[in-house]
Amino acid sequence: ETGVTQTPRHLVMGMTNKKSLKCEQHLGHNAMYWYKQSAKKPLELMFVYNFKEQTENNSVPSRFSPECPNSSHLFLHLHTLQPEDSALYLCASSRSGEAQPQHFGDGTRLSIL
Amino acid sequence: QKEVEQDPGPLSVPEGAIVSLNCTYSNSAFQYFMWYRQYSRKGPELLMYTYSSGNKEDGRFTAQVDKSSKYISLFIRDSQPSDSATYLCAMSGNSGGSNYKLTFGKGTLLTVNP
Repeated sequence: ETGVTQTPRHLVMGMTNKKSLKCEQHLGHNAMYWYKQSAKKPLELMFVYNFKEQTENNSVPSRFSPECPNSSHLFLHLHTLQPEDSALYLCASSRSGEAQPQHFGDGTRLSIL
Repeated sequence: QKEVEQDPGPLSVPEGAIVSLNCTYSNSAFQYFMWYRQYSRKGPELLMYTYSSGNKEDGRFTAQVDKSSKYISLFIRDSQPSDSATYLCAMSGNSGGSNYKLTFGKGTLLTVNP
């Protein structure tokens, strides 16, 4: 149990569908992150939230829309995705502040048909 | 030049061997260095966390940082089949803000054979 729970674990969707990924952390952290992990590539940071405010958008296409209603919950809303968006999407959390280690969930494996 | 270089392997060793995993980096601002372990179908799990140069030991694991060479290592002593996983290095510098960005290597796939 990592303290960071992601649902669903697997998601298959068509390019015209709309779906959402959910992340919940039970560690009392104030910063939350979305990463994309593709085969043979380093983890790519997508979004950062600190105390519910978005502080980083790493040039992510608008078909990915994050939402952070509170410090414990993070969502990633998906619409009109492309086949190249198929990947493992990881959520992480940390204490707020410099150089705090990040704790990851087990990810959502997303497949776009 | 990529910010962080890590040999993806795969690396296969017999049980009991000493394993050496390495990363090189180009950004001299990096001061915080981490190693994560990622099992198949799981998220990365923080193994080691070090600041600046030097060594840190935790059980069978030793992390080394050589900032002058921009080179970090993770050593695993008496390797076990349960150590079979992908090992990711990650690093960060002073962001000047309330959060920090981690820059990851691609990961090295390690298999320890019984």
